Amino acid sequence: EDQVTQSPEALRLQEGESSSLNCSYTVSGLRGLFWYRQDPGKGPEFLFTLYSAGEEKEKERLKATLTKKESFLHITAPKPEDSATYLCAVQAEGGKLIFGQGTELSVKP
Amino acid sequence: DTAVSQTPKYLVTQMGNDKSIKCEQNLGHDTMYWYKQDSKKFLKIMFSYNNKELIINETVPNRFSPKSPDKAHLNLHINSLELGDSAVYFCASSAGLAVPFFGPGTRLTVL
Repeated sequence: EDQVTQSPEALRLQEGESSSLNCSYTVSGLRGLFWYRQDPGKGPEFLFTLYSAGEEKEKERLKATLTKKESFLHITAPKPEDSATYLCAVQAEGGKLIFGQGTELSVKP
Repeated sequence: DTAVSQTPKYLVTQMGNDKSIKCEQNLGHDTMYWYKQDSKKFLKIMFSYNNKELIINETVPNRFSPKSPDKAHLNLHINSLELGDSAVYFCASSAGLAVPFFGPGTRLTVL
């Protein structure tokens, strides 16, 4: 069964304190792994797509990496505006996304 | 603005009522989805349409019926609403199997 597990469920950081979020997955035939950011009361906002092991993508303070079993979202020197829930999803047959439960990130000044 | 839009943003109704949520996208995408986000923020796909044809229909009660009048619209009609239907419903669209873009969500509360 296709499954996505994110850890930790919640992460509290001080501004400037770098860390990583984990996304472990099992899927029959990975078509793509997606990272989204979701702010309270809003829809998920697309961040990155990764397609093959070894691939990396960067955007400002965020860097996503992919292995055959997991993906990491590295946050370097975070700022309070990076506070949000980060969602990981794998794309399965038919294009449907299977989401993890998310990591709620809080960055304090 | 190019985007995925949903109406209404909030929907409060009594058990047993029938309600609809509308979704429109002006991104020129050919595939549209409905996702449900529960109280634990877990997002799960309900339906997917490609060029107005149903291609994904997850295990969803028959009370939920999607309708796609054209490629840019995907509406969700819910009959005989139950307490457990309370959730946030997100519409999304994509160009084929490319990355889906999500709408702002509709928070449904069933009393």
